[in-house]
Amino acid sequence: DTAVSQTPKYLVTQMGNDKSIKCEQNLGHDTMYWYKQDSKKFLKIMFSYNNKELIINETVPNRFSPKSPDKAHLNLHINSLELGDSAVYFCASSQEEWGTGGWDEKLFFGSGTQLSVL
Amino acid sequence: DQQVKQNSPSLSVQEGRISILNCDYTNSMFDYFLWYKKYPAEGPTFLISISSIKDKNEDGRFTVFLNKSAKHLSLHIVPSQPGDSAVYFCAARDAGGTSYGKLTFGQGTILTVHP
Repeated sequence: DTAVSQTPKYLVTQMGNDKSIKCEQNLGHDTMYWYKQDSKKFLKIMFSYNNKELIINETVPNRFSPKSPDKAHLNLHINSLELGDSAVYFCASSQEEWGTGGWDEKLFFGSGTQLSVL
Repeated sequence: DQQVKQNSPSLSVQEGRISILNCDYTNSMFDYFLWYKKYPAEGPTFLISISSIKDKNEDGRFTVFLNKSAKHLSLHIVPSQPGDSAVYFCAARDAGGTSYGKLTFGQGTILTVHP
């Protein structure tokens, strides 16, 4: 039973189209994220939601709009796709826990969506 | 401005030997550090973490060392196994202000363990 699942796994589309990527987590976590892995392999945070509320927005173009209908879901909608949007997009969730060194927060990632814009 | 750097893109090790993966950071507001492992076509999976109040954390074959004065951390895998072959990402959490909770990742190191 997958903890963080995102669909689709592969998405090939034309420039200018609008597309959505869906993400669901069954871990009961309060916080969900979207990360982008670019061509240089860096994983960079795009958005973070806590209990359906946006808490981090990393200067992502407003063509990208996350939507969280409930705390188990965080979808990513992208308008007017551009060539530079081609990347792997990862959804993740986390929950803070008190550990021996203070507050621990481990992210659990989905398997990624490979977006190719032609 | 890359605040977390993994300067070795790849590392090759013989099975049974020690693998040492390194990570450097620049932001003194980082308070929590993690290592993730990633196989092809899968998402990163959590491996081990360390709080900034500690200098070592051990979990089985995996040990993470933190040197705050040098802003350096390393992951030791002993003994290395072929199944450890993957990309390893170092990540750091920002404890400062509006960036609280944000994880910054390095670009990864490809570890190959030869039988």
